[in-house]
Amino acid sequence: EIVLTQSPGTLSLSPGERATLSCRASQSVSSSYLAWYQQKPGQAPRLLIYGASSRATGIPDRFSGSGSGTDFTLTISRLEPEDFAVYYCQQYGSSRYTFGQGTKLEIK
Amino acid sequence: EVQLVQSGAEVKKPGESLKISCKGSGYSFTSYWIGWVRQMPGKGLEWMGIIYPGDSDTRYSPSFQGQVTISADKSISTAYLQWSSLKASDTAMYYCVRHVTVLGYYFDYWGQGTLVTVSS
Repeated sequence: EIVLTQSPGTLSLSPGERATLSCRASQSVSSSYLAWYQQKPGQAPRLLIYGASSRATGIPDRFSGSGSGTDFTLTISRLEPEDFAVYYCQQYGSSRYTFGQGTKLEIK
Repeated sequence: EVQLVQSGAEVKKPGESLKISCKGSGYSFTSYWIGWVRQMPGKGLEWMGIIYPGDSDTRYSPSFQGQVTISADKSISTAYLQWSSLKASDTAMYYCVRHVTVLGYYFDYWGQGTLVTVSS
């Protein structure tokens, strides 16, 4: 099973700053099979990025994804107040999906 | 508009059975895999399994194989997650998700979640 490790566990930043979230896989992942989700308290997760770098419908362009192989990154260029949430990466491989443990993005 | 609408919260006792549902609308229900994701209190997301309503092909995560049953009734565009004997450790929020397998593998729509509480 491919294990995804997200870092940092918690990221404390201020609105307007740039956020860089990391997702590292225990073995190589096809870029097509790497996605990112945002979850706010009391809400279901929402798809942000699929195929490692494609924004989902309606996602602002301040969100971007990059990476390949075992290292993937979600970048939020300028944080808005509504961006403070938990972010999960997810991969598909060997007929199963796995998620990272999440990064909590909190207001500094 | 694509929607996945899940059944309401449940409170059950250990050993009881339960079946929760997820009704899809706004798209061809038989053309997309539907899956289930567990989120235990204060924890992360865990993929449980998927079903293709078109032919009922079902796949399970090894962690959940034998613990739950996933099914679907395409005539009413509804997927189900079922337990035959609940445990306290089944207490969690359960989300149904629509799987996309074009230009990637990901979950593009999520239900609102069904909270299952198992307590004596």
